[in-house]
Order: sequence, then C-alpha cells, then structure tokens
Amino acid sequence: AQRVTQPEKLLSVFKGAPVELKCNYSYSGSPELFWYVQYSRQRLQLLLRHISRESIKGFTADLNKGETSFHLKKPFAQEEDSAMYYCALFAGGTSYGKLTFGQGTILTVHP
Amino acid sequence: GAVVSQHPSRVICKSGTSVKIECRSLDFQATTMFWYRQFPKQSLMLMATSNEGSKATYEQGVEKDKFLINHASLTLSTLTVTSAHPEDSSFYICSASTSGGAETQYFGPGTRLLVL
Repeated sequence: AQRVTQPEKLLSVFKGAPVELKCNYSYSGSPELFWYVQYSRQRLQLLLRHISRESIKGFTADLNKGETSFHLKKPFAQEEDSAMYYCALFAGGTSYGKLTFGQGTILTVHP
Repeated sequence: GAVVSQHPSRVICKSGTSVKIECRSLDFQATTMFWYRQFPKQSLMLMATSNEGSKATYEQGVEKDKFLINHASLTLSTLTVTSAHPEDSSFYICSASTSGGAETQYFGPGTRLLVL
C-alpha cells in the first residue's frame, strides 16, 4: 500500500527566507507525486506535479526516487504563501486511480 | 472553469438521523467522483470512488451501508450518512474528475457535519 509522510505539521519562516516542506513516500510502483495547497477558507487546489517539472508561484519540487522524496521548495517565501500544504501520491494504472495524501504542513510566513 | 460545489456547506443533525451531502460539477461532466473525510488539522482520507451509473468502490474500513454514495449523473454525486452518530462528525470533501487522473481532479469546498 502507498503511504505519504510529511514530517512537519507546522513550519514557520520569515518573509524572504527560503522554505522547504518535506515529503517522503512509499509505493511499489512508479509514483506520480503532487503538491496541493489550501489557503485559509478556500478549497484544496493543485499546486504542482512532478511530471510537468514546472515552477508555480516560485515553488519547485523534484522527485528523488533514490530517497523516495518530493520536497517542496521556494527560495524566498512570501506572506501570501501561508497555507496548508499537502503532498499526495497518485496510484494510477487503472481506469481510475486514487490520491493518497500526507498529513499536511501548515506553513506560516511572518512579515 | 472546473468548479465543484457542495451542499450544504455545514449541517448539524441529531444522532440517529440521516444526512445527505451533494457534490456537483458545475461546468464539466465528471466521470469519476471521490469522497474524502478530513479530521481537524489532519489529512484527507479517501472514503470511496464512484463512477457515474455504477456502484461506488469503498476504501478498506469504510462502511458502505453507513455511507451511501449515489452517482446518478455526470454532474451529481451524493453521500448519505445514515443513522449518524457523533463520531461521524467531520469535514467531508468531494472531488470530481473528467478522467480519474489526479491532474483533472477538482475539489469541492467541503461540508462540515456535526452530529449532536
């Protein structure tokens, strides 16, 4: 069975500081990893996915299969980045797959 | 585009009653809908997956007779919590997908259920 672990429940940084949200996974197949974000009083939304190797709102994440990690990074945090972040693994390969979420990390960026 | 709504946004009910939560895809047709449960400051736990016109697939440990899911059309899925108990109090979130893939999964705003 797949599992996603986010070791930090809370993470606080100051504006302009680098931030890294950790995510580790276990899955026997070839994983598809995602980061989702939930801003205060808003719904969950997709932030980025490892397949596209894109940078969204300054965030990047690299899939490291050797370390089974998919850490989310941003070199200069902004106050508007404060939110709940979920790492998720998609186990597909069937007509429909399912997302397994980590426990989430609450990021607070102080002015 | 790709908006998913849930109704009601919050509901309070008495123990023993049943509660129905609706999930609608407003501007697209969702072949697959997912129902999640989220405890305070914890992760989303997938409860079940449903495809339009077929029976839902429940995750291990989720009672299908307690959490009835109906995916009657390509834009509507309902979750009915039958004979609700206080331990069913939670935040229920649905998502809708055009293909079942993660990148096409759009989330609703959630429904807060409180069972007294």
